[in-house]
Amino acid sequence: NAGVTQTPKFQVLKTGQSMTLQCAQDMNHNSMYWYRQDPGMGLRLIYYSASEGTTDKGEVPNGYNVSRLNKREFSLRLESAAPSQTSVYFCASRFNRETGELFFGEGSRLTVL
Amino acid sequence: AQSVTQLGSHVSVSEGALVLLRCNYSSSVPPYLFWYVQYPNQGLQLLLKYTTGATLVKGINGFEAEFKKSETSFHLTKPSAHMSDAAEYFCAALGDYKLSFGAGTTVTVRA
Repeated sequence: NAGVTQTPKFQVLKTGQSMTLQCAQDMNHNSMYWYRQDPGMGLRLIYYSASEGTTDKGEVPNGYNVSRLNKREFSLRLESAAPSQTSVYFCASRFNRETGELFFGEGSRLTVL
Repeated sequence: AQSVTQLGSHVSVSEGALVLLRCNYSSSVPPYLFWYVQYPNQGLQLLLKYTTGATLVKGINGFEAEFKKSETSFHLTKPSAHMSDAAEYFCAALGDYKLSFGAGTTVTVRA
């Protein structure tokens, strides 16, 4: 099984450019998540989708949009990238039962110049 | 909402020594708690989790954690560190479909 797959793994953008991070999971999970990881700050939740057809804001949603395309896929879009969005982005998924842990992708490293 | 605090951003231990990573959570009800490990340039991997039942939880790679409700703590331990344990460790708490993470603790292992 591939688990959670993210693309691209690396991306360099100029300020103001847009891009979409793609995420797909093959575990039939209900919920999907986008986190960003910055040194000394742990992982912070950007957006999540508790089930197909729903999305909700997390701790740091400003500057991002998401689409839950179907049960497998959850994309993150930066409409106008800013240097503050330089980070490592992780997609994750889980079953909606109470104790279900998150399964993570390998991350996408984004640099905004 | 859950809040998770990890005490100590860096821990350095000698190979063979005890590893102790501290985690405290804030909640009015016992949460579901997790420890994840992240090796360089990789995603997060589950070490162990506490849901209900036994308060001492065993995980992979010889790690274990004890849930103490009275102290709102979920500290991670390993009796004998190995060089391969060098990584970043995250404590997390689940609530309302969302996982909240601590800031992480980087472990270095000295030969």
